Amino acid sequence: NAGVTQTPKFQVLKTGQSMTLQCAQDMNHNSMYWYRQDPGMGLRLIYYSASEGTTDKGEVPNGYNVSRLNKREFSLRLESAAPSQTSVYFCASSDQQGGSGNQPQHFGDGTRLSIL
Amino acid sequence: GQSLEQPSEVTAVEGAIVQINCTYQTSGFYGLSWYQQHDGGAPTFLSYNALDGLEETGRFSSFLSRSDSYGYLLLQELQMKDSASYFCAVRPLEDGGFKTIFGAGTRLFVKA
Repeated sequence: NAGVTQTPKFQVLKTGQSMTLQCAQDMNHNSMYWYRQDPGMGLRLIYYSASEGTTDKGEVPNGYNVSRLNKREFSLRLESAAPSQTSVYFCASSDQQGGSGNQPQHFGDGTRLSIL
Repeated sequence: GQSLEQPSEVTAVEGAIVQINCTYQTSGFYGLSWYQQHDGGAPTFLSYNALDGLEETGRFSSFLSRSDSYGYLLLQELQMKDSASYFCAVRPLEDGGFKTIFGAGTRLFVKA
């Protein structure tokens, strides 16, 4: 049982290049999330998908797009990379149904992205 | 808006007890969660408080007081492997509770 798998694990881009980060989960979770983590700033939500076919903006969506390809896969795209997007990107999934019941998020190992 | 504040660093001795605080300003949320992250690793879920009071899971306990806008994570019988970053997080009432907002994290150093 792999859980949440992110590819690639490391990537170096030049300013202006495009890139798609891939994420897949095998836990049959409804909800999927993309976060970025910068030193001293914790995890900031970029986009999330509450269920297959829906996506919504998080706290820091500018410069990113997402696609919920199917229930398993949720990709994050940088159309024109900027140095400010250098970060560690985490994908997560959850069986969260909304409302008061809480389901923990399960995280992938992260993608370390550097933009020069 | 939502904001959560945690101390940036805490240092404690192996075998001791340490409390990591989380104060928040939020218009309303479903509950308070705690996650652990070792250096270079992924965050992992530790505990959740939907209601005020104490939740205990082994050596770890978490507490929430909505009236005081305050929660904490208590780690007992500290071990070296507990050296990690700890994040509190809330799910705001808006947007149906799917969003999670994380604090900036507290880095715990456990010394021998």
